[in-house]
This record gives sequence, C-alpha cells and structure tokens, in this order.
Amino acid sequence: QQQVKQSPQSLIVQKGGISIINCAYENTAFDYFPWYQQFPGKGPALLIAIRPDVSEKKEGRFTISFNKSAKQFSLHIMDSQPGDSATYFCAASIGDNFNKFYFGSGTKLNVKP
Amino acid sequence: DAGVTQSPTHLIKTRGQQVTLRCSPKSGHDTVSWYQQALGQGPQFIFQYYEEEERQRGNFPDRFSGHQFPNYSSELNVNALLLGDSALYLCASSSTGGFQPQHFGDGTRLSIL
Repeated sequence: QQQVKQSPQSLIVQKGGISIINCAYENTAFDYFPWYQQFPGKGPALLIAIRPDVSEKKEGRFTISFNKSAKQFSLHIMDSQPGDSATYFCAASIGDNFNKFYFGSGTKLNVKP
Repeated sequence: DAGVTQSPTHLIKTRGQQVTLRCSPKSGHDTVSWYQQALGQGPQFIFQYYEEEERQRGNFPDRFSGHQFPNYSSELNVNALLLGDSALYLCASSSTGGFQPQHFGDGTRLSIL
C-alpha cells in the first residue's frame, strides 16, 4: 500500500503566486519528512525537511507546514518563479539508523511567466 | 566536494539479460540506498547497504541484488531482466545515524527492449 499520498498530481501557478502541495501519511512511526525537487534528467535534490516536534519550518521561499494530529504535511512555495518549475516529492521515514524513505507520487509544478 | 555519482547514465538491454549499475557515494557518507523510479512516479526503495551488508530491503524480487565495497561504493545487479524493469535507477547516500538526509545521484536510465 502507498505509505505517503501526495496531491495534486500537477499544478499550474502564475509567477509570484503561492504553490501548495499536500501529503498525507498513515504510519505514526514516521518522524522525518523531507521534500525533494527534481528537474528532468536529474536526481531528486533535498529542499527542506521537518520533524514532528515543530509545526512549521521556513527556508527562504519554501515553508513546510506539519499537522501531526491529521497526519498531513504540506509544502508552500511563496513568490513562485518559472525556475521553480519541476516535480516535487514528499517523503517520510522513521529516523533510525537506516533511513528508509517512502516517497509520494510527485507533483509536477508549472510556474507561468 | 563530489556528490553522488552513478554510471552508466543510460543503458539499453534486452529481456533476460543481466545488468550492473554502479554508485559512488558523496564524500563522508557510508550508507547507500537504491531506488527504482518508474516514469511519472516517485522513487521506490529497493535496498540499503551499510558496512558492506544489506540492512533493509523493499518489496523487490531476488532478481535484484547488490553489493557494497570497503570504500562505500555500491553496485546494483538485476538478473533476468523484464520489460517492467525499465526505469530510472537512483542511488542515494547518507551518513549513519537518525534523521540523516539522503543525497541522490542523477540516476541510470535503464531501457529494456
């Protein structure tokens, strides 16, 4: 079964707008939630990550919001730029020594100029 | 500081053949994980190597096997290739310990004819 569910599958946002991508999980043992950005022909690159002891983490234009009770977390991209156009993946893992990651199915973001 | 490097970049094989993919982890990393990414999907965990041993395994058949060398580099071997094995194979490295981010290479695109 899919451990992490991601939506929407695709997203079109105007330049300067806010892009919001959502993820939900079932396994309450997950305690590390990274977001990855992937450009065509490239591997995923870590954007930002959060642990469940905080409800929000911000790095530049990227913010993760985390709702532990709802088992949901989301990525907000403020002031979206055409260069942000890529596929975004949420992931979850149990933060033991082995860090096996479960990925969502991805969101293809297109930021229109 | 070199990141994760994978070789080859692209590979074309026919059904029934065997293939070996290679990965060199980021400097300072001792743990290597392999993922399969089908077109339009998120990466799926194959297995992870640490101290030259397979530590965790995802839901993949025994046709998928691996190895880690004393210098932490790793190989992924797939036997008896099927058409469904066509995918991008990603290697990710990390340091030992909880909550360590995984750094991905750009992958090997494997096409099965």
